[in-house]
Amino acid sequence: DAKTTQPPSMDCAEGRAANLPCNHSTISGNEYVYWYRQIHSQGPQYIIHGLKNNETNEMASLIITEDRKSSTLILPHATLRDTAVYYCIAGSGNTPLVFGKGTRLSVIA
Amino acid sequence: ETGVTQSPTHLIKTRGQQVTLRCSSQSGHNTVSWYQQALGQGPQFIFQYYREEENGRGNFPPRFSGLQFPNYSSELNVNALELDDSALYLCASSSAGERPYNEQFFGPGTRLTVL
Repeated sequence: DAKTTQPPSMDCAEGRAANLPCNHSTISGNEYVYWYRQIHSQGPQYIIHGLKNNETNEMASLIITEDRKSSTLILPHATLRDTAVYYCIAGSGNTPLVFGKGTRLSVIA
Repeated sequence: ETGVTQSPTHLIKTRGQQVTLRCSSQSGHNTVSWYQQALGQGPQFIFQYYREEENGRGNFPPRFSGLQFPNYSSELNVNALELDDSALYLCASSSAGERPYNEQFFGPGTRLTVL
């Protein structure tokens, strides 16, 4: 079973920031938080990962709470092309990714 | 840099038949993982291959088997197909040992329909 819980769906207005929450209260000290997304009919796409510190790349920012029990993925300026299912995954090293059902983000014009 | 490719893109089989799906990993990657994604669900891990050896397996019966070749490409074989095997089959490649974290690159998937 997935170690993370996410809301099943969210809406976001185009051009606004999309903030996707994730709870991972049982995460182990050596486990990373990964975010992937899956646009309809495509394979999942890696977005970002983090261990303890907040992270930012060209796609998104990841904010991890100090106790590491939850995190938030931020898409700073959502576009229609960001409509997808977003998966938050806790895992380590080269272990298999354990996907839950994710959050279906709908970006609305 | 060539991404992960999978073939075929779509496939229709009948119950009891056998199927082989193929995956070419991204250049430089030595690990391939296979996932099954039923409609409306997240991908479920089937197994992983590292340097031609099975390196972990999910909760799938033995009729799901695989191979990895010296060039790190891989096959997924499913025998005695059942209706519930209808799903999107995803292949993901990664570079084990090069990074402490687990960034996997997924192919577009093969859509298998069992009638």
